[in-house]
Amino acid sequence: GAGVSQSPSNKVTEKGKDVELRCDPISGHTALYWYRQSLGQGLEFLIYFQGNSAPDKSGLPSDRFSAERTGGSVSTLTIQRTQQEDSAVYLCASRLGTGTLSSQYFGPGTRLLVL
Amino acid sequence: GIQVEQSPPDLILQEGANSTLRCNFSDSVNNLQWFHQNPWGQLINLFYIPSGTKQNGRLSATTVATERYSLLYISSSQTTDSGVYFCAVIPSGTSYGKLTFGQGTILTVHP
Repeated sequence: GAGVSQSPSNKVTEKGKDVELRCDPISGHTALYWYRQSLGQGLEFLIYFQGNSAPDKSGLPSDRFSAERTGGSVSTLTIQRTQQEDSAVYLCASRLGTGTLSSQYFGPGTRLLVL
Repeated sequence: GIQVEQSPPDLILQEGANSTLRCNFSDSVNNLQWFHQNPWGQLINLFYIPSGTKQNGRLSATTVATERYSLLYISSSQTTDSGVYFCAVIPSGTSYGKLTFGQGTILTVHP
């Protein structure tokens, strides 16, 4: 597709359940980022992938959060044993190439609500 | 880490008015982007502007890197301009570029 896509668009889950969020970056973009947007914290970085490796996981809030990327393309963010404070919009972005001198492009996000 | 402050936090305009949004950052940057988040939550790229001036239709942006600020100008505002405007930066010396966002300016344009 032309842009970054994410699925599902919305997810409602019960506290304690695991969830998987998917991101399809723009074709050919080697860099992929996950961010989280919540009311109290604004937009926060979670994790960065270059190819299939994740050199920066510093934004993951706890060990319940993990992510992987396969084939240098699709990425999955997994939240285990969800808590109510995990409720937020999870945004994925991709960028062409390495370095910093280019734009990141964002997907529409997954709205997660933990009851 | 780098701090990003946006002002004003809220802005209400009548259609047709002009506005200026400001982004101050606390350290030197090699990447600065402006985004518009529409009512559906989509972050739309407006400008990639680590320095200099760019224009795109009714929107233009200027970044004065040496003074650590950027300005976004919206002329002849329309109701479709409503939403949240974010500035996001990457500090100089960073090799791969996670964005640090400001808190945003909420713009409401009334018909």
